[in-house]
Amino acid sequence: AQSVTQLDSHVSVSEGTPVLLRCNYSSSYSPSLFWYVQHPNKGLQLLLKYTSAATLVKGINGFEAEFKKSETSFHLTKPSAHMSDAAEYFCVVSDRGRDDKIIFGKGTRLHILP
Amino acid sequence: GAGVSQSPRYKVAKRGQDVALRCDPISGHVSLFWYQQALGQGPEFLTYFQNEAQLDKSGLPSDRFFAERPEGSVSTLKIQRTQQEDSAVYLCASSLALGLTGINTEAFFGQGTRLTVV
Repeated sequence: AQSVTQLDSHVSVSEGTPVLLRCNYSSSYSPSLFWYVQHPNKGLQLLLKYTSAATLVKGINGFEAEFKKSETSFHLTKPSAHMSDAAEYFCVVSDRGRDDKIIFGKGTRLHILP
Repeated sequence: GAGVSQSPRYKVAKRGQDVALRCDPISGHVSLFWYQQALGQGPEFLTYFQNEAQLDKSGLPSDRFFAERPEGSVSTLKIQRTQQEDSAVYLCASSLALGLTGINTEAFFGQGTRLTVV
């Protein structure tokens, strides 16, 4: 069965500095991996997804993530944080070739310091 | 509509009351998921449909929870005899799953129904 672990429940960075949100996954098959963002009182929005094409995936708002099979990781990065990036971020895994069930991590709350 | 629609957006129920939450997925989407998101937590899987078939209901917390999707489109999540611990946001998502290959595209989420049991 698939699972996903987000290593940090809270991350604080200063505006203009890099962002790193960590995610490790476990999957019996070939996984699809996603990052979603949830702003307060807003719906979940897809940031980016990996589905076996390029291992470096670029998403919206300057975010990107790199799929590293050897490390079973899919960390989310952004070179320069903006105040509007403050939100909850979820790493999500789904087993391709098995079913379409998608599993969420517990989330990382990103705080941006002025 | 263009997206996943959930109704009602907010529901206050007295403890012991039955509730029904509705999800209208994106037209043509095969897969439909229900999640429960407690305050400050990540969404927890409840159940999953492919068309009208409920393929996985392992996340339903008790037999008070029941979901259906009789015509493979609209889905209803029913909670009987609601308890305070049922208070949460219930999220519905749909995706254009490509048959048995299980290739995911993207799961589109609704805004959720916030259930408060008093």
